[in-house]
Amino acid sequence: AQSVAQPEDQVNVAEGNPLTVKCTYSVSGNPYLFWYVQYPNRGLQFLLKYITGDNLVKGSYGFEAEFNKSQTSFHLKKPSALVSDSALYFCAVSNFGNEKLTFGTGTRLTIIP
Amino acid sequence: EPEVTQTPSHQVTQMGQEVILRCVPISNHLYFYWYRQILGQKVEFLVSFYNNEISEKSEIFDDQFSVERPDGSNFTLKIRSTKLEDSAMYFCASRGNIQYFGAGTRLSVL
Repeated sequence: AQSVAQPEDQVNVAEGNPLTVKCTYSVSGNPYLFWYVQYPNRGLQFLLKYITGDNLVKGSYGFEAEFNKSQTSFHLKKPSALVSDSALYFCAVSNFGNEKLTFGTGTRLTIIP
Repeated sequence: EPEVTQTPSHQVTQMGQEVILRCVPISNHLYFYWYRQILGQKVEFLVSFYNNEISEKSEIFDDQFSVERPDGSNFTLKIRSTKLEDSAMYFCASRGNIQYFGAGTRLSVL
């Protein structure tokens, strides 16, 4: 069975500071890893994915994520936070041949002006 | 940017009634999904659909649930004899190179 853990329900960061939202995963075989963001009254919006290749993945809105196989982690990062980054962030995993996404519980990111 | 469209945005129903949640996937996508999110909990996979049949379903997706692609554009989730615990946000997704999600339908069972 595959699973995702997001250990922080809430992350607060001052505007302009770097941010990190943590994610660890468990899956049999090679992982396909994703980050989605949810704004109020909106659906889940894709940010970035890791399938294979370079461990540092760049995505939308200046976000990036680093795949670490030994630590089974896929933390989301941004060098300089914006107030508009405030939202609910979900990490998700799937594996080849099993296309369903398994989500973490989400992390609410609040950027403080 | 192409969108997955879900209707209605909010559905209120009485316990025991049947509801149909509707989705219009992105037009050239072939894989379709339903997920649900109970308030305060994580997003959970319900079912995947390809080539007019279910390709995978979770243990949540029992005989109370069914999916259908009645025409070339719509993808529906039917919930028969709704229960209080079916109250949740239901998300439809369709897949090209990634899964694109709709804005969701909030189902409230009273």
